[in-house]
Amino acid sequence: NAGVTQTPKFRILKIGQSMTLQCAQDMNHNYMYWYRQDPGMGLKLIYYSVGAGITDKGEVPNGYNVSRSTTEDFPLRLELAAPSQTSVYFCASLKGVGGEAFFGQGTRLTVV
Amino acid sequence: GQNIDQPTEMTATEGAIVQINCTYQTSGFNGLFWYQQHAGEAPTFLSYNVLDGLEEKGRFSSFLSRSKGYSYLLLKELQMKDSASYLCAVRDGGGNKLVFGAGTILRVKS
Repeated sequence: NAGVTQTPKFRILKIGQSMTLQCAQDMNHNYMYWYRQDPGMGLKLIYYSVGAGITDKGEVPNGYNVSRSTTEDFPLRLELAAPSQTSVYFCASLKGVGGEAFFGQGTRLTVV
Repeated sequence: GQNIDQPTEMTATEGAIVQINCTYQTSGFNGLFWYQQHAGEAPTFLSYNVLDGLEEKGRFSSFLSRSKGYSYLLLKELQMKDSASYLCAVRDGGGNKLVFGAGTILRVKS
């Protein structure tokens, strides 16, 4: 099993550009999460999903969008990139109540 | 909403014992996690508590008191490789949101 796979690993965007961060898991997990982590800080929840077709906002959703058309995939969309979105983005998944959350390796995004 | 507090930084000596505290206020509660994160890497799972009491796993133990909204992570026989950030995370009452504290940077010195 691959676990949680994030692509790309690194990306540089210009202000105003858009991009999609991909996240896929092969563990049949219902719950998936997107976090951002600024230097020296903890993880801030952007969006989460409890199953295909269901998404909800986390702590810092502004400037982002998500979709969950399948159990496996949970892409994160940035429509108009801003320097404030420079961060490391982590995707995580877990099966249900009581399970541990598995993390992808992260996407390091720089907006210039 | 959820509020999770941890100390920002701690320093301890190799071979010693260190306790990292976490206090939380949540709308309902469905478990508390501890994760370890080395610089530039993804978080890795250490422990999970949903009932009151102590969970022990090798050199690491985690304690939970739901009535006090309090947990701690205990690291014994500290090693240099334990220098990392330690993240406390709480699942809300619905079991949907998983929210993290800001993390505690632990520095182990020789």
